[in-house]
Amino acid sequence: DGGITQSPKYLFRKEGQNVTLSCEQNLNHDAMYWYRQDPGQGLRLIYYSQIVNDFQKGDIAEGYSVSREKKESFPLTVTSAQKNPTAFYLCASSIGDTNQPQHFGDGTRLSIL
Amino acid sequence: GDSVTQMEGPVTLSEEACLTINCTYTATGYPSLFWYVQYPGEGLQLLLKATKADDKGSNKGFEATYRKETTSFHLEKGSVQVSDSAVYFCALQDNYGQNFVFGPGTRLSVLP
Repeated sequence: DGGITQSPKYLFRKEGQNVTLSCEQNLNHDAMYWYRQDPGQGLRLIYYSQIVNDFQKGDIAEGYSVSREKKESFPLTVTSAQKNPTAFYLCASSIGDTNQPQHFGDGTRLSIL
Repeated sequence: GDSVTQMEGPVTLSEEACLTINCTYTATGYPSLFWYVQYPGEGLQLLLKATKADDKGSNKGFEATYRKETTSFHLEKGSVQVSDSAVYFCALQDNYGQNFVFGPGTRLSVLP
């Protein structure tokens, strides 16, 4: 079955550590996205990529970094510069054309120890 | 810029009640419109979509009609079930297919 896989489902980070969240899709989608969701809140865009080896900052990119070396993969690194990283992180992908929705993974919940 | 506004939640209904969640948008041109549903601890799932004016999207008893004249895309269901309890997000995709904009979400609780 085609879909988006995020791993791990739960992740714990110590102060000062970088952590990387995985996102893999087998939908052959060109565009991929990372969102942050805080409790009771909507989605905020962190980074997005329309094509391999290219990505753009979203609304809250500070303290995060990404790479897009393969079409299938769009990992997100939460750096120690992100002062409040505890949140639910959602990865999404889309064909990148009009009238086509985004498809979402099941999310990774990141907590600070 | 483009934006989506949804009615404030939470919305609490009894089983078999009628549901309406209001959604209005601001966008240039002709965006595509979507409703997503999020169950606790999960990602968003596409519920329905409409891509042009007067289109009606429908799925699992839910419906929404793309109203260009009122820039609205209200979600409706005639008889809700306990299993419909979730957070519902209205979203648009701009003219060019590049950007997605989400509303803040509306939490629905259905009581038996």
